Amino acid sequence: EPEVTQTPSHQVTQMGQEVILRCVPISNHLYFYWYRQILGQKVEFLVSFYNNEISEKSEIFDDQFSVERPDGSNFTLKIRSTKLEDSAMYFCASRWREGGTEAFFGQGTRLTVV
Amino acid sequence: GIQVEQSPPDLILQEGANSTLRCNFSDSVNNLQWFHQNPWGQLINLFYIPSGTKQNGRLSATTVATERYSLLYISSSQTTDSGVYFCAVDNFGNEKLTFGTGTRLTIIP
Repeated sequence: EPEVTQTPSHQVTQMGQEVILRCVPISNHLYFYWYRQILGQKVEFLVSFYNNEISEKSEIFDDQFSVERPDGSNFTLKIRSTKLEDSAMYFCASRWREGGTEAFFGQGTRLTVV
Repeated sequence: GIQVEQSPPDLILQEGANSTLRCNFSDSVNNLQWFHQNPWGQLINLFYIPSGTKQNGRLSATTVATERYSLLYISSSQTTDSGVYFCAVDNFGNEKLTFGTGTRLTIIP
């Protein structure tokens, strides 16, 4: 069964450092997403991406965040200068078209900022 | 935006018991999914169920879209069923999923 894969599974970084979280969505999917879950809280939407541009972003997704699809398979989330409050589980998701279809989630990347 | 509420927030059961988890949402939905978050934090997709009823082994789910709720049933609970269960929805013209606050299920041997 096709799946969304994320790397790394766990990353520890120093405050102020840049991190890049990587995702390989399902190959025929067209819509891509990042979600975040701070420990003990619910999963929150960060950003959606379609046709090589951001289609929607939340208020959490400020100038410190960026997304990119550098080639035909990878989808990345970059945090330029990490803060302690960026520590969270980050999930990538994809679906083959927008709303009304199943979204498939990766296993997540646990980011710890120290 | 759409509001998603889950109940109960916490549920503790003996192994072998049955459970019902509820998800209420405030508007018409285009998509509804149930997830199990395991102790390692991974989100396991259980059901894609914008309407109707589905079953998968000991788990089943029903969504009554006209009344804006969905139910997840777990029968003959096992310790491996422990974790947090989330429902998530999106509605027409809004492609992002909105998650509920989850139900934490603990199964005691």
